[in-house]
Amino acid sequence: GQQLNQSPQSMFIQEGEDVSMNCTSSSIFNTWLWYKQDPGEGPVLLIALYKAGELTSNGRLTAQFGITRKDSFLNISASIPSDVGIYFCAGLSASGTYKYIFGTGTRLKVLA
Amino acid sequence: EAQVTQNPRYLITVTGKKLTVTCSQNMNHEYMSWYRQDPGLGLRQIYYSMNVEVTDKGDVPEGYKVSRKEKRNFPLILESPSPNQTSLYFCASTFFSGSFDGYTFGSGTRLTVV
Repeated sequence: GQQLNQSPQSMFIQEGEDVSMNCTSSSIFNTWLWYKQDPGEGPVLLIALYKAGELTSNGRLTAQFGITRKDSFLNISASIPSDVGIYFCAGLSASGTYKYIFGTGTRLKVLA
Repeated sequence: EAQVTQNPRYLITVTGKKLTVTCSQNMNHEYMSWYRQDPGLGLRQIYYSMNVEVTDKGDVPEGYKVSRKEKRNFPLILESPSPNQTSLYFCASTFFSGSFDGYTFGSGTRLTVV
């Protein structure tokens, strides 16, 4: 099945640093979502994007829907220890199949 | 509280012994889906349902069955589990309104098949 290319796979950063991660696809998407998964829990929605070029913030998180509709970016500013977890992007295909396709995840570890 | 409830949270079973993982949501969502999560592979869709009595295969449906007799419930059935079905499973639901909102996920079921 189709998957999104998400990078980086993992990252270790110092508390207070900014973080960037992205998702790319060879296909066009109508919707991009970003989720966070804490250990032992299900993913929780952070940000949803519905229009090409859209830039949306949720606290210290900012995400953008790429102009080409084939990519999306998530930035976390001034990271804190509770930001640790796995971040997933998900895209809703424009092909009309009503299926979300998930990225492989970015594992974030924050060093205090 | 709006939520997706999966049971059990943990399950160890033997090869070939039929099992069912239950999923229930209290948000009146039309769309429900099952995913499995494996290291390095992210979340892969097993089956989904757009409404009662409407189900369809996802990307990795082999070895699984589902049913959607009621709007709130979407059980995942493994008729003859095998070790390669050892995984972390998530049920998720959302409104199906033409423009999708994000999923609400359950807390997961960690299945081990020996």
